Amino acid sequence: QKEVEQNSGPLSVPEGAIASLNCTYSDRGSQSFFWYRQYSGKSPELIMFIYSNGDKEDGRFTAQLNKASQYVSLLIRDSQPSDSATYLCAVPMDSNYQLIWGAGTKLIIKP
Amino acid sequence: DAMVIQNPRYQVTQFGKPVTLSCSQTLNHNVMYWYQQKSSQAPKLLFHYYDKDFNNEADTPDNFQSRRPNTSFCFLDIRSPGLGDAAMYLCATSRDPTSATFTDTQYFGPGTRLTVL
Repeated sequence: QKEVEQNSGPLSVPEGAIASLNCTYSDRGSQSFFWYRQYSGKSPELIMFIYSNGDKEDGRFTAQLNKASQYVSLLIRDSQPSDSATYLCAVPMDSNYQLIWGAGTKLIIKP
Repeated sequence: DAMVIQNPRYQVTQFGKPVTLSCSQTLNHNVMYWYQQKSSQAPKLLFHYYDKDFNNEADTPDNFQSRRPNTSFCFLDIRSPGLGDAAMYLCATSRDPTSATFTDTQYFGPGTRLTVL
């Protein structure tokens, strides 16, 4: 049974600080990884995907992938109150195009 | 703008009264998904279509059915809603998995919040 695990939180971070969100996955063969942001009552929106080891940066967001340790992280620099949301990690199943979803980490940015 | 549209955004139904949720997309994507999401939980895949090929998840109740009359539209029918079916229903799409540019990315509609009285 392939799994994706995230700490449910809430993770509380002061405004302007770096928020660090983690996701671990069980399938060593997983190749690509997705981070979605979901505001309360809204649908998930893609913010990052990464498929190679190392870091991928997009504005204030950095995804870090470590395949040997089977975890992927999302760093949010200069956190803003508008970053307060649930962040979902998703990993494709190896034999088809479905995604396995983590339950999400709730992030709260305190002004 | 290319997008995924869901109607209605909010649906209230009575216990046991059939309801249909709709999803349309202008992305021309081959794959369409229906998810159920309850509060503080991960989205749960109910079924998906790859073109006209229907794929049902093993644990999706028979109470849930789907139709895809064409590439752009997909419907979720709940034949006899129970109180436990109250949730957010999400439609998502993704490109042709055989495409060289395929990245497994799923694009979501805004969702339909279903309330069962």
